[in-house]
Amino acid sequence: KQEVTQIPAALSVPEGENLVLNCSFTDSAIYNLQWFRQDPGKGLTSLLLIQSSQREQTSGRLNASLDKSSGRSTLYIAASQPGDSATYLCAPLTQGGSEKLVFGKGTKLTVNP
Amino acid sequence: DAGITQSPRYKITETGRQVTLMCHQTWSHSYMFWYRQDLGHGLRLIYYSAAADITDKGEVPDGYVVSRSKTENFPLTLESATRSQTSVYFCASSEYRAGPYNEQFFGPGTRLTVL
Repeated sequence: KQEVTQIPAALSVPEGENLVLNCSFTDSAIYNLQWFRQDPGKGLTSLLLIQSSQREQTSGRLNASLDKSSGRSTLYIAASQPGDSATYLCAPLTQGGSEKLVFGKGTKLTVNP
Repeated sequence: DAGITQSPRYKITETGRQVTLMCHQTWSHSYMFWYRQDLGHGLRLIYYSAAADITDKGEVPDGYVVSRSKTENFPLTLESATRSQTSVYFCASSEYRAGPYNEQFFGPGTRLTVL
């Protein structure tokens, strides 16, 4: 059974700082991994999808890396802004039957002006 | 208005009542999903559907019923609501069944309170 862990659970940084959010998963047989952003009381916004054959994926100030064999992904946010404050969720899409996303519990990021 | 919409956005009901949460997508995606999000548990899959008239159970299906008569709609019914079903419910859709291109897109959610 796939298990996903996100560390840290919460992170508070000053504006302008570069930061890294971590995601680890136990089953490396995945098709891809999605990173989502969730604002309070809102739905999930897909930020990046990184395929299992890829090592990195970039979108603007965001860069996601994937090391499938070690069961790890990181989301790098450059030059953080107060508008980046949200909860960030990772979800690998696991192979082998049900092909479902399994979510971590998220990292709550606060960027202070 | 493209994307996924959910209705109602907020619902308060009483124990034992039947409640239906609606989900509508305009992309003609084949796959649709229902999740619930609870503190301490994160997001968990309730049911999913591969196409019209094809549905399957997820991780926490007990107490829920789904149907999919049209590709664009995927309603979720709580036949007899219980307090433990108080949660935020998200609908999602994706174009592909599996594989590296499967990307899921989420609706805004329905906050359900069962008194």
